Amino acid sequence: QQQVKQSPQSLIVQKGGISIINCAYENTAFDYFPWYQQFPGKGPALLIAIRPDVSEKKEGRFTISFNKSAKQFSLHIMDSQPGDSATYFCAASMISSASKIIFGSGTRLSIRP
Amino acid sequence: DSGVTQTPKHLITATGQRVTLRCSPRSGDLSVYWYQQSLDQGLQFLIQYYNGEERAKGNILERFSAQQFPDLHSELNLSSLELGDSALYFCASSETGGGGGREQFFGPGTRLTVL
Repeated sequence: QQQVKQSPQSLIVQKGGISIINCAYENTAFDYFPWYQQFPGKGPALLIAIRPDVSEKKEGRFTISFNKSAKQFSLHIMDSQPGDSATYFCAASMISSASKIIFGSGTRLSIRP
Repeated sequence: DSGVTQTPKHLITATGQRVTLRCSPRSGDLSVYWYQQSLDQGLQFLIQYYNGEERAKGNILERFSAQQFPDLHSELNLSSLELGDSALYFCASSETGGGGGREQFFGPGTRLTVL
């Protein structure tokens, strides 16, 4: 019940296309859903995060869509660029507790020029 | 640069040995988290310390232990090393320990290779 399932494992998108990464969770107590971006040789870094009181959050070309009833959320990268090539991790946690963040298994995204 | 430092960058050792990984959190951050990242396991949370005290525990093996010192730096000790312990070990820090809604800032990681 603590798992966050992420798909696909890897994704190749043409430059200018839309990249979509999906995640699903089971624990309805989760109320904070961040996405982390990791470039090769670097540690993950927070990209964007959402709380379940909204269905969508947009920051530049990055959008999180959240479906509370389905317990699913996704990351959309519009106008994907080669510089977006990285590994993306979705995650979930509970804001009100000292609980750990549960990370998905990661998606390796490659943007073809 | 996240402001979190980790040493060493690379570590090569033999099975059965013991190693210590070190992490210095961002200035002002009280919480330190340790993660293990291997190719087939993604990011696995190991343990969290807040202001010197253990706050949360994940899938940390009994052969592994950690501590956070008064100056807030942390060390992860790995003993009786096995081949399967080869991985990237990340340290992250956050402002507070209360709540999973705080951004975590990750260090560059230590790559451990057990031969």
